[in-house]
Amino acid sequence: GENVEQHPSTLSVQEGDSAVIKCTYSDSASNYFPWYKQELGKRPQLIIDIRSNVGEKKDQRIAVTLNKTAKHFSLHITETQPEDSAVYFCAAISPRQAGTALIFGKGTTLSVSS
Amino acid sequence: NAGVTQTPKFRVLKTGQSMTLLCAQDMNHEYMYWYRQDPGMGLRLIHYSVGEGTTAKGEVPDGYNVSRLKKQNFLLGLESAAPSQTSVYFCASSYTYSNQPQHFGDGTRLSIL
Repeated sequence: GENVEQHPSTLSVQEGDSAVIKCTYSDSASNYFPWYKQELGKRPQLIIDIRSNVGEKKDQRIAVTLNKTAKHFSLHITETQPEDSAVYFCAAISPRQAGTALIFGKGTTLSVSS
Repeated sequence: NAGVTQTPKFRVLKTGQSMTLLCAQDMNHEYMYWYRQDPGMGLRLIHYSVGEGTTAKGEVPDGYNVSRLKKQNFLLGLESAAPSQTSVYFCASSYTYSNQPQHFGDGTRLSIL
């Protein structure tokens, strides 16, 4: 089945810097890659997603890139702000995965200091 | 439009007790999922359902049962709670296609003493 690895597990940046979180996946058939942000005590919230027919997607300060050949995808946050501090999860879905359930990475705790 | 609603939000149980967690969605989604979240482990799939009357096992199904009698509801049961089941439980739902986002409920924080 699909396996998703996420790095780093913790990331500390200064306000205004950029942050990059990387994930790799194992199933070449995976075709959907969402990123979730989870604040302490809250639900995971979808912040951006990318499908396998697209190499890059951007939404204001957030962007995601996908390299299907290398089977990795990355989240880029520019001009970070303290409210970006949270745990970020990448995930992947493969049509071969029963129930098309999300397979999550273990998360990255991002801390943005002002 | 409430999205995905989970009840209860918090619960404390004693070892051996049973309980049922309820998930309700009003988006007419076919697929529904139960995940558990533990520190450092991310979210792991317990059981899922691809439609009314169907259920299937996920990655960590032992000790749990589920039912999907109505399309909008997905119930997670613990027949005999164990301390290892102390966790935060999230329900999610989505449309049928594999490239559609999943929408999460607010979670149920469950402690087993």
